[in-house]
Amino acid sequence: QKEVEQNSGPLSVPEGAIASLNCTYSDRGSQSFFWYRQYSGKSPELIMSIYSNGDKEDGRFTAQLNKASQYVSLLIRDSQPSDSATYLCAVNLNTGNQFYFGTGTSLTVIP
Amino acid sequence: GAVVSQHPSWVICKSGTSVKIECRSLDFQATTMFWYRQFPKQSLMLMATSNEGSKATYEQGVEKDKFLINHASLTLSTLTVTSAHPEDSSFYICSARAGQGVRGEKLFFGSGTQLSVL
Repeated sequence: QKEVEQNSGPLSVPEGAIASLNCTYSDRGSQSFFWYRQYSGKSPELIMSIYSNGDKEDGRFTAQLNKASQYVSLLIRDSQPSDSATYLCAVNLNTGNQFYFGTGTSLTVIP
Repeated sequence: GAVVSQHPSWVICKSGTSVKIECRSLDFQATTMFWYRQFPKQSLMLMATSNEGSKATYEQGVEKDKFLINHASLTLSTLTVTSAHPEDSSFYICSARAGQGVRGEKLFFGSGTQLSVL
């Protein structure tokens, strides 16, 4: 079983809609959770981090964490064509440990 | 966020030559850096963990004699692809941990190096 799993997509949403990206992880001891955005040909860019159960909002982005279900999601409100990218979920067990990445979900926002 | 600089961003070389890629943490000290490779439309693949002052830890299937990693200071790690061949052509990305504590530690990436071996 992979440490972090994501639906590879592709996920397509119309401009202005809400895009919902999901991620599950296997280790219940995981402490910190991250969402990265990667444009084609570029390296990943950190967009959200979350550590506690519940929602964390930053602009159009909301990260949701449910440790009981071992589930973390990213919502993108008012999706824009510039949001089209691959979104990577990452999990860190503890400080000093390796960060585990999912395979990424490809998102296309259709104008 | 913290800044990780990677150089060069793009390199073309002849088969059989060696290529060195540098990864620097510009505004923080990084005791640990990670090296990844990524083929087109595929996910990140961790190659090795680079530890300052000690030997790198390689993932299974990664040849340590082919991909030489040196982490001689707290701000610099280098990856040397020795005797490169066309199948080594890929996007190589480094990353470094910044911050402290389980809620402060984050991973930041360099801009990547596109290697093309002719």
